[in-house]
Amino acid sequence: EVQLVQSGAEVKKPGESLKISCHVSGYDFWNFWIGWVRQMPGKGLEWVGTIYPPDSDSRYSPSFQGHVSMAFDNATAHLQWSGLRASDTAIYFCARRYSGFEYFDYWGQGTPVIVSS
Amino acid sequence: EVVLTQSPATLSLSPGERATLSCRASRTISDYIAWYQHKPGQAPRLLIYGTSYRATGIPARFSGSGSGTDFTLTIASLEPEDFAAYYCQVRTDWPPTWTFGQGTKVEIK
Repeated sequence: EVQLVQSGAEVKKPGESLKISCHVSGYDFWNFWIGWVRQMPGKGLEWVGTIYPPDSDSRYSPSFQGHVSMAFDNATAHLQWSGLRASDTAIYFCARRYSGFEYFDYWGQGTPVIVSS
Repeated sequence: EVVLTQSPATLSLSPGERATLSCRASRTISDYIAWYQHKPGQAPRLLIYGTSYRATGIPARFSGSGSGTDFTLTIASLEPEDFAAYYCQVRTDWPPTWTFGQGTKVEIK
């Protein structure tokens, strides 16, 4: 069974660092990109970036480029910040990208991140 | 960069009614439109991919259509569990970008 299990909720202060994770299982993770999607409070879904596990080749949305970074190791994808802002408060989902028809077929349960002083 | 505009923002309907959700692209795109259902506190759920293919386990009351710049998700007869937010999504080749529409909320009238 394909599963993406994300790390738990985080409460941080502005300027702090954070790394959230997404452990994947039930499939050959070398063959699928992993994407990250943000949902700010009361808002819709926004693509953050996508990473290819074999070589960590990454694509970032221009809206997030330079503010977040992605990594993959030990069957786990990571999304990290070196300087959080209050506007990073959101739920972050990881999802498996299915190439070809280009959709996200399996999703993690989401990691709520609250950034507040 | 392509922009996906969904309409209406909110659709107020009763169980048993037909729901028609629109997704319009700012330029002609491939047939790689996907649709997702999202309920609060849950992960988004893939409904439709490749514009018209139902994902595994998705009921036949959900259907997708369209081409070029105009795409539609139709729910033939709303069930109580269908009241949720719905998003269209496309991937463009260059730069490689995955874009979501802003969503349509289907609420109980």
